[in-house]
Amino acid sequence: SQQGEEDPQALSIQEGENATMNCSYKTSINNLQWYRQNSGRGLVHLILIRSNEREKHSGRLRVTLDTSKKSSSLLITASRAADTASYFCANSDGSGNTGKLIFGQGTTLQVKP
Amino acid sequence: GAVVSQHPSRVICKSGTSVKIECRSLDFQATTMFWYRQFPKQSLMLMATSNEGSKATYEQGVEKDKFLINHASLTLSTLTVTSAHPEDSSFYICSARRGGAWEETQYFGPGTRLLVL
Repeated sequence: SQQGEEDPQALSIQEGENATMNCSYKTSINNLQWYRQNSGRGLVHLILIRSNEREKHSGRLRVTLDTSKKSSSLLITASRAADTASYFCANSDGSGNTGKLIFGQGTTLQVKP
Repeated sequence: GAVVSQHPSRVICKSGTSVKIECRSLDFQATTMFWYRQFPKQSLMLMATSNEGSKATYEQGVEKDKFLINHASLTLSTLTVTSAHPEDSSFYICSARRGGAWEETQYFGPGTRLLVL
């Protein structure tokens, strides 16, 4: 399987705490993206980090990328109950510009009010 | 901008029937659309890549005769699950890409939940 791994699989925290999710991938990449999915819904694009970038910020989100370790992390600071969702990393096909995304297994985040 | 819709949002059908799912890009032209399948509490698995005016490219293990994909226009792609069986019950999600290979972001539809009885 080309799918990457994410850990933890499930994370439960209190509102206001930070949440960190990790993702590992197997292939070479052009970029790595993080998506959010509320239960039974479609995916919402959160942030994209290119293979030549190491860190990126967007609001309360911070993403890091370590291509030598083929890993990425997503940090959500000052979490809110509304952040409760599943979070997936996805890496683009690095072998050619097919646009295909390979998704990780996902982390289910629960933020308790 | 960049809104993708899917229709229907939910469908229940009897085993052996065929079901068509539509994926539309509402405010942009999608050169490429992707179809994914997601089983409960699992990740998304890419089924096929669909380019307007050409045949879809299926991932390994996906039966092209069972999952018919048509991308007849730059704003519409359809997935037909032929002779559906209970094991085809799943959440089907499409995504669309606006530009060519340089366009890195995909825009996802809300998904279609299929239940085959």
